[in-house]
Amino acid sequence: DVKVTQSSRYLVKRTGEKVFLECVQDMDHENMFWYRQDPGLGLRLIYFSYDVKMKEKGDIPEGYSVSREKKERFSLILESASTNQTSMYLCASSLGPKLGPWSGGETGELFFGEGSRLTVL
Amino acid sequence: AQKVTQAQTEISVVEKEDVTLDCVYETRDTTYYLFWYKQPPSGELVFLIRRNSFDEQNEISGRYSWNFQKSTSSFNFTITASQVVDSAVYFCALSDPAAGNKLTFGGGTRVLVKP
Repeated sequence: DVKVTQSSRYLVKRTGEKVFLECVQDMDHENMFWYRQDPGLGLRLIYFSYDVKMKEKGDIPEGYSVSREKKERFSLILESASTNQTSMYLCASSLGPKLGPWSGGETGELFFGEGSRLTVL
Repeated sequence: AQKVTQAQTEISVVEKEDVTLDCVYETRDTTYYLFWYKQPPSGELVFLIRRNSFDEQNEISGRYSWNFQKSTSSFNFTITASQVVDSAVYFCALSDPAAGNKLTFGGGTRVLVKP
């Protein structure tokens, strides 16, 4: 069974602390994503990666960085946490092409982890 | 830029009623994909369906059906004879294969099915 695992379900941090959110997938997927979910705003893409050591900015990258040293692991880093980063963070992975339509058995489906709820005080 | 709008933030129904979730999207691309995801109380989003922009056939899967109308840029989702287990937040999403296949999500619609 496919699995995306996020290291922490709940975290409480203080303003200015450095925060690491870890995500591991066991499906050998090339593509990995970090979203944040806020009420009424849906899911907004922070960063994504199509390969090891590659990263691309999403729609709201400010205040975040990422690391992908191994194919199965994609980390989200908050260098100096702020209260407006209190949110639910969702990691996802997918199989399929970086560009172009899907073919074969690929659906373009994103597989999500259970989420990490971060509170910054 | 792509945009997905789910105008209904919350819908409450009684079990066995039908419920339709609206999704309107904006894109300049001719080739794109539309998705629906379900997020139950446990939090993990679950893929429901993907449609491409060239396939406007409606689709039915059990109690779920989808109505894709390119002319109105809509991809609506209907749950027939709703059940308590259908209570969840439902997200519509749009991807652009020419721009990284990343998904742009709508704000979500919370469905509450009361017994």
